[in-house]
Amino acid sequence: AQSVTQLGSHVSVSEGALVLLRCNYSSSVPPYLFWYVQYPNQGLQLLLKYTTGATLVKGINGFEAEFKKSETSFHLTKPSAHMSDAAEYFCAVSDGEGRRALTFGSGTRLQVQP
Amino acid sequence: NAGVTQTPKFQVLKTGQSMTLQCAQDMNHNSMYWYRQDPGMGLRLIYYSASEGTTDKGEVPNGYNVSRLNKREFSLRLESAAPSQTSVYFCASVFGANVLTFGAGSRLTVL
Repeated sequence: AQSVTQLGSHVSVSEGALVLLRCNYSSSVPPYLFWYVQYPNQGLQLLLKYTTGATLVKGINGFEAEFKKSETSFHLTKPSAHMSDAAEYFCAVSDGEGRRALTFGSGTRLQVQP
Repeated sequence: NAGVTQTPKFQVLKTGQSMTLQCAQDMNHNSMYWYRQDPGMGLRLIYYSASEGTTDKGEVPNGYNVSRLNKREFSLRLESAAPSQTSVYFCASVFGANVLTFGAGSRLTVL
């Protein structure tokens, strides 16, 4: 069984400040890890994913995440927040076999203050 | 545009009524999924279909049925709607390496 914990249901940052959204996972097999973003009244779109290889993964819109196996973490960061980053962010884990669906965290709503 | 199309976008039902949410994808994906999204709970898997002709229960299947009509279409049916089924429903599809493509969502209110 897999699970995802996102620490902080709401995060507020100032425009230009560092964005850090936390995600910890549990998985009995090497995980595939994902971050999705959801803008108001829209579906989810993929920000970035980790499957194998390099543990620092770069995604769209300047976001990146680092897979740390020893900490079972996959935190999402962006050096400088923009107003357009305000959205809800979901971390997800898969067993990588392609037969099962993703297990999602409960989400973190990011607010960006001017 | 290629992608996942869900209908309807909005629906209001009375308790006990039935309805079907439709989902179609034109990306030749093998696997399709239905999720529900509730505040503070993320997305929870209702049912999925790994391939045409197969369906399996997810985390929260009670009160729902599904049909994988063909490779493109995967419908979700509520036989007797309950207020607890008020939610936003998302269909998704995938091929291979678990990069799910989501539809825009269907917002259902059960009174």
